[in-house]
Amino acid sequence: QQQVKQSPQSLIVQKGGISIINCAYENTAFDYFPWYQQFPGKGPALLIAIRPDVSEKKEGRFTISFNKSAKQFSLHIMDSQPGDSATYFCAARTGTGGGADGLTFGKGTHLIIQP
Amino acid sequence: KAGVTQTPRYLIKTRGQQVTLSCSPISGHRSVSWYQQTPGQGLQFLFEYFSETQRNKGNFPGRFSGRQFSNSRSEMNVSTLELGDSALYLCASRLGGATGELFFGEGSRLTVL
Repeated sequence: QQQVKQSPQSLIVQKGGISIINCAYENTAFDYFPWYQQFPGKGPALLIAIRPDVSEKKEGRFTISFNKSAKQFSLHIMDSQPGDSATYFCAARTGTGGGADGLTFGKGTHLIIQP
Repeated sequence: KAGVTQTPRYLIKTRGQQVTLSCSPISGHRSVSWYQQTPGQGLQFLFEYFSETQRNKGNFPGRFSGRQFSNSRSEMNVSTLELGDSALYLCASRLGGATGELFFGEGSRLTVL
């Protein structure tokens, strides 16, 4: 059962454009939604994260939009640059007591920014 | 500050063998998690250790096991290797608690022949 569905699988955007990646989740107990960026040969690195009590969070050129009622969240990359070319993963996690469950990841989006 | 260190980076095994992978977390981090990454299944949670105790476990067979030492270093073991175990195994550490950011290592790439 895929609890976090991510789309599109791949995306090509022109330099300076806006890259948009979408995720939908099923488990209403999720309370932490991070986005990770992964370059070839490297481990994933946290980009930005949001909690469900906030509808939008912005850090530099990266923005998360969160729609709790629709159980959807998205990553927007403004003024996309060739250096942003990477694989992006959305994820979700429940926090239980003093700890937290493991992250449930989407399948990833391979983003290519064309110069 | 050194990041998460995983060894070995690459290894090749044959079916039926076992393998042990090692992870050194960021200094001060008490929680270590393991993830399996494959092209087909993506990133999947294996287990998490905190203060030498397994706190959470993903949906993997008992052939996958792990442990954590008093210095927070962790090892994971896969016994009776199958072809489908070929994957990138990622270790991640965090301070602990429900909200700590996960910091991933570069992974150990296992190929099973």
